[in-house]
Amino acid sequence: KAGVTQTPRYLIKTRGQQVTLSCSPISGHRSVSWYQQTPGQGLQFLFEYFSETQRNKGNFPGRFSGRQFSNSRSEMNVSTLELGDSALYLCASRIEPGLATIQYFGAGTRLSVL
Amino acid sequence: DQQVKQNSPSLSVQEGRISILNCDYTNSMFDYFLWYKKYPAEGPTFLISISSIKDKNEDGRFTVFLNKSAKHLSLHIVPSQPGDSAVYFCAASLNYGGSQGNLIFGKGTKLSVKP
Repeated sequence: KAGVTQTPRYLIKTRGQQVTLSCSPISGHRSVSWYQQTPGQGLQFLFEYFSETQRNKGNFPGRFSGRQFSNSRSEMNVSTLELGDSALYLCASRIEPGLATIQYFGAGTRLSVL
Repeated sequence: DQQVKQNSPSLSVQEGRISILNCDYTNSMFDYFLWYKKYPAEGPTFLISISSIKDKNEDGRFTVFLNKSAKHLSLHIVPSQPGDSAVYFCAASLNYGGSQGNLIFGKGTKLSVKP
């Protein structure tokens, strides 16, 4: 079974631009979560989507948004990029947001904002 | 304020010995805990988990212990192998009305297992 696939693996953007990251979950998984990893803050939750609906959101500004499609694939968008948005963005999928469900992570997209 | 803390940024252990990684949490409502391992340039890989109704869970060389009164969990790796060298993250989540919420991570402990 293929794992969580994130594209692209690396991105370089400049301040003020916007970016879209993509995540394909494990087949059969309907929940997708996004996390940001930085050296200073560690791994922080951005949002979770299930059945095309955002069910939970972390403490990030509105410049960070996402969506989920009917095939469970998800995209994350960051508008008006800032230098501090440079980070590793990780996507995780699970079957559903039930109790004691394991989230499986992709390899991430490394975003550099210049 | 950090709700999940891994106070040791790094740990060095000799091959064959026991590795003990520690994690403390502040929110007594957390009811599910997980350990992930991360190699450079890869995403976190799930290792082992434990529900708050248990105090121990074993899977091969990996055992997680949970002490709810102390709000402390630990991961034991026995015996340690050089391939275990990685960053280990502790994570916790809450039960939101029958659904498991998002993961809250510690900042990780870098384990080095020396041959």
